[in-house]
Amino acid sequence: AQKITQTQPGMFVQEKEAVTLDCTYDTSDQSYGLFWYKQPSSGEMIFLIYQGSYDEQNATEGRYSLNFQKARKSANLVISASQLGDSAMYFCAMREGDYNQGGKLIFGQGTELSVKP
Amino acid sequence: DAGITQSPRHKVTETGTPVTLRCHQTENHRYMYWYRQDPGHGLRLIHYSYGVKDTDKGEVSDGYSVSRSKTEDFLLTLESATSSQTSVYFCATLGQGNSPLHFGNGTRLTVT
Repeated sequence: AQKITQTQPGMFVQEKEAVTLDCTYDTSDQSYGLFWYKQPSSGEMIFLIYQGSYDEQNATEGRYSLNFQKARKSANLVISASQLGDSAMYFCAMREGDYNQGGKLIFGQGTELSVKP
Repeated sequence: DAGITQSPRHKVTETGTPVTLRCHQTENHRYMYWYRQDPGHGLRLIHYSYGVKDTDKGEVSDGYSVSRSKTEDFLLTLESATSSQTSVYFCATLGQGNSPLHFGNGTRLTVT
């Protein structure tokens, strides 16, 4: 069965430093997508970054990058130069198959990141 | 922003009462989803819809039903609310291809 695991319930990072949030996944599909979302204390779900299973290069979006290691089934989120506004809950999610198969995402348990000044 | 509005934003209800949560989208997206968020569980899929009158169950569908009579509206109903259904409920839509899900702002439901 498909599964997403985030093993770090909470993490602290010093402002301006980089931080890696771990995510491992389990799927038997060859085609899948991996997503990261941010949920600040206000509660909304904010999409950060996407990696497709066939993408050869790691995805990057501004200060966010996704360290995709397919053989290890990991999709870690790297945030460079942390800012106080990065304090939030972060969710890793996976989509199996393609759009016509329903587009559903399954989510990990989340990692709560706290950025210290 | 996919223009997703959830109503109500907060609701307190008593055990055994029926509750309906509404999700309205303005983007004409085909797929719509209902998730619940609980500490330690992330977001779990309750039901989803792939078109008008076409719905399917998710991981935690027991005690919930849904309806989609128009493209823009997706309703989640708790026929007889229980305390275990106290949660934050998110509606989401999917545009196309490898797009991410776009989420509404959530409904906080408390069942006393």
